[in-house]
Amino acid sequence: SAVISQKPSRDICQRGTSLTIQCQVDSQVTMMFWYRQQPGQSLTLIATANQGSEATYESGFVIDKFPISRPNLTFSTLTVSNMSPEDSSIYLCSVEGQGGSGANVLTFGAGSRLTVL
Amino acid sequence: AQKITQTQPGMFVQEKEAVTLDCTYDTSDQSYGLFWYKQPSSGEMIFLIYQGSYDEQNATEGRYSLNFQKARKSANLVISASQLGDSAMYFCAMREGPNSGYALNFGKGTSLLVTP
Repeated sequence: SAVISQKPSRDICQRGTSLTIQCQVDSQVTMMFWYRQQPGQSLTLIATANQGSEATYESGFVIDKFPISRPNLTFSTLTVSNMSPEDSSIYLCSVEGQGGSGANVLTFGAGSRLTVL
Repeated sequence: AQKITQTQPGMFVQEKEAVTLDCTYDTSDQSYGLFWYKQPSSGEMIFLIYQGSYDEQNATEGRYSLNFQKARKSANLVISASQLGDSAMYFCAMREGPNSGYALNFGKGTSLLVTP
């Protein structure tokens, strides 16, 4: 399965600032997915990023707040804009790959743990 | 509506015992996939096991097995011979048919604590 590197692994941010999270994959992938995990909660899909096209956002997430770039088949960034304490979460990048059972399995990066003060 | 329901917020099990983590799902698709992930305190999401809706046999991966009961729409994870390192959050997830895209819907998770 793909190896995903995410940066930063964690950060403490001030209210009103923006932070960009980077996701690097060791192989070319068509789709990359960005998830958010708020404290004590499950994972919620933010958007799907295809190379060469605009990201597709899920209900409740907008491009102005979470702009995404996908400049090539191995890299993507997610920016959390104008942060508030409610944005304190783990942000995870993921890609599809072949699992041992032959199914398409999502592989995740280690996540970026953001705390907004 | 919640597509994945995990009714056990927390579970305890003694080392070397087996434990079952419950998961029920809701879909009208005929073709779907069910997944279990483990999330240790470090935060990474680790894929454990997959069950396809057309698979007739329950999936197994080492100490993990999936008790798939299609008519009841349940996909419980069974961990045999629990180890201290199994202490983590466990998430059940579902991917529905092609028209629903490739994203996974996750349940709220079950926190498992393995005691000596």
